[in-house]
Order: sequence, then structure tokens, then C-alpha cells
Amino acid sequence: SQKIEQNSEALNIQEGKTATLTCNYTNYSPAYLQWYRQDPGRGPVFLLLIRENEKEKRKERLKVTFDTTLKQSLFHITASQPADSATYLCALTHGGYQKVTFGTGTKLQVIP
Amino acid sequence: NAGVTQTPKFRVLKTGQSMTLLCAQDMNHEYMYWYRQDPGMGLRLIHYSVGEGTTAKGEVPDGYNVSRLKKQNFLLGLESAAPSQTSVYFCASSFGLYYEQYKQYFGPGTRLTVT
Repeated sequence: SQKIEQNSEALNIQEGKTATLTCNYTNYSPAYLQWYRQDPGRGPVFLLLIRENEKEKRKERLKVTFDTTLKQSLFHITASQPADSATYLCALTHGGYQKVTFGTGTKLQVIP
Repeated sequence: NAGVTQTPKFRVLKTGQSMTLLCAQDMNHEYMYWYRQDPGMGLRLIHYSVGEGTTAKGEVPDGYNVSRLKKQNFLLGLESAAPSQTSVYFCASSFGLYYEQYKQYFGPGTRLTVT
């Protein structure tokens, strides 16, 4: 069956350290992989998108990698800040680019 | 630009009642989506549309119907509400035509409780 797994429900990290979140998938052939941020009571907000033929993408303190052989994406936040505390969702674009399936998310807490 | 708006923000229904959730976007997006979000389940796709007049089933379509009569609006209907449909509903839209345009813009959500 198809499955998207994010490494843990919650991740606590000290301010200033690099947070690394994992997204693993099975039985999908995604065209794109996306990462979103969701704050309590709000809708998800888009952060980064990476294509199947791209290895790495960066945006300011954010970096995402995509390994289609391992069927895994890693999402890094460098120099983490308390304001980075939120739930982070990975999502796969598949089904002829029309469908998007989300993982259950990882709740990140950055401790001052 | 207002982006993606959803109406209403909150609603309480009794079992068996019907209602329609309205999603509107002012970004001229082709693709629109309805999701529900439940604790521990993440976002699950209910129905989606790849253009005006088109709709398709997502992962959890049972008990819901949709319509996309105008490009900017996507309606989600519950014909006979059940307690299992208690959830937070999110609408999203995207250009859906090329690479970065597949990123989705989400509305603020509708919190629905069915008693």
C-alpha cells in the first residue's frame, strides 16, 4: 500500500542547532516533493518544492534533499530559532501532477 | 489579493443535516482541492478539480460532493452529515501547470462539528 511517513511526531531542538526532519514514502512515483509549515489553527504554508531529478534545494536557512532511490526527503533548518516552532508537513505530487498526498507531519519545538 | 478564503469559519450541525462549504480564490488558479484534517491522520484529500467544470475523487470522497461551476469557486457539500465528518476542512488552490506552480495556497480552514 502507499504510505508517507515522517520520522517522528515531535522533535525538540536547542536554539541555534540544525533541525533535520525526514519524509519517507513507499509505492509512490512522485513528480515533486513539497514541504509546508503549519501553525496551530492555521492552514499550511508552502516552503519548498523539489523535482524528482533535483538532489537539493535551498532557500535562506532551509534546505531540502530528495533521494528517489532511497525514497526519502530530508528537510533541514539551520540556525534554528524559537519562531521556527511549528508542524512541518511533506507532500508528494503524483498521479499525473494532479494529486497531492500529505504526510502526518512532524511537530518541531525549538527551545531557547 | 485575498488569496484563498473559506466560508464559514465554524459550524455545528446535527446528524442528518446538510450544508455547503464555500472556497473562493482570486489568483486565477486552475487547480483546487478540498482536504480534511484530523488528529493523527494528517491532511487527507477529499475531492479536487483541475479546471472549471471538472471534479475528481480524492482519497476520502464518501459522504461529500463538490462542484466547480466557476473557476474561482469550489464548493464542498455534505448531504447528510455524520459525526465521523467532524473535522477541520481546508481548501487549497494552485496554478498546476508548471513546476513551482504546483505549490498550494491554503485557506484558513472551516471547523465543523457534527453532533
